[in-house]
Amino acid sequence: DTEVTQTPKHLVMGMTNKKSLKCEQHMGHRAMYWYKQKAKKPPELMFVYSYEKLSINESVPSRFSPECPNSSLLNLHLHALQPEDSALYLCASSQDGGGYNEQFFGPGTRLTVL
Amino acid sequence: AQSVTQLDSQVPVFEEAPVELRCNYSSSVSVYLFWYVQYPNQGLQLLLKYLSGSTLVKGINGFEAEFNKSQTSFHLRKPSVHISDTAEYFCAVSEQGAQKLVFGQGTRLTINP
Repeated sequence: DTEVTQTPKHLVMGMTNKKSLKCEQHMGHRAMYWYKQKAKKPPELMFVYSYEKLSINESVPSRFSPECPNSSLLNLHLHALQPEDSALYLCASSQDGGGYNEQFFGPGTRLTVL
Repeated sequence: AQSVTQLDSQVPVFEEAPVELRCNYSSSVSVYLFWYVQYPNQGLQLLLKYLSGSTLVKGINGFEAEFNKSQTSFHLRKPSVHISDTAEYFCAVSEQGAQKLVFGQGTRLTINP
């Protein structure tokens, strides 16, 4: 199974809402990533978890809160978002956190903030 | 810090014609290089990667790329494209010892019948 799944596929939320994005993989990978992708732009790294510990936070605003409950799951908790946070949020995983590893991407959650 | 430049934002070609998508990188240390493809409304999929060894790398779907250290380039080629190759293509670089993957701005490949 080389699949990374993400739920939900689409999410519309108001600026005062609290919601969560979920990502799951069953490849035994020990590194997981969150990316943000705006339309017609490349993915931008937000967070990296390596062996369930946060290893990279790319100066992401605190209204985005990642969580890695176990090696297969990655969540992104959202609170008090702004309209400019509307984007495709991609999750990825790799064997470990080494830069030589292929990253396997999920299909993304398309987030709209009203 | 590493950076990636994809020289063409859009490349239109006719079906069955050859194509080359250009990528240049900048880094002060050794790097790993990747090409990913993103089909509409999907995540990214790895086409091929260069880690070390032979500078000509073959990937999936008939794509290949050549690493040129002196020109700091990693251009992607396919001898004959199909309609199904229409997608966004991203070149990416990771520095040795680092976890972070940095993407270029992407090249939109459009195949005309």
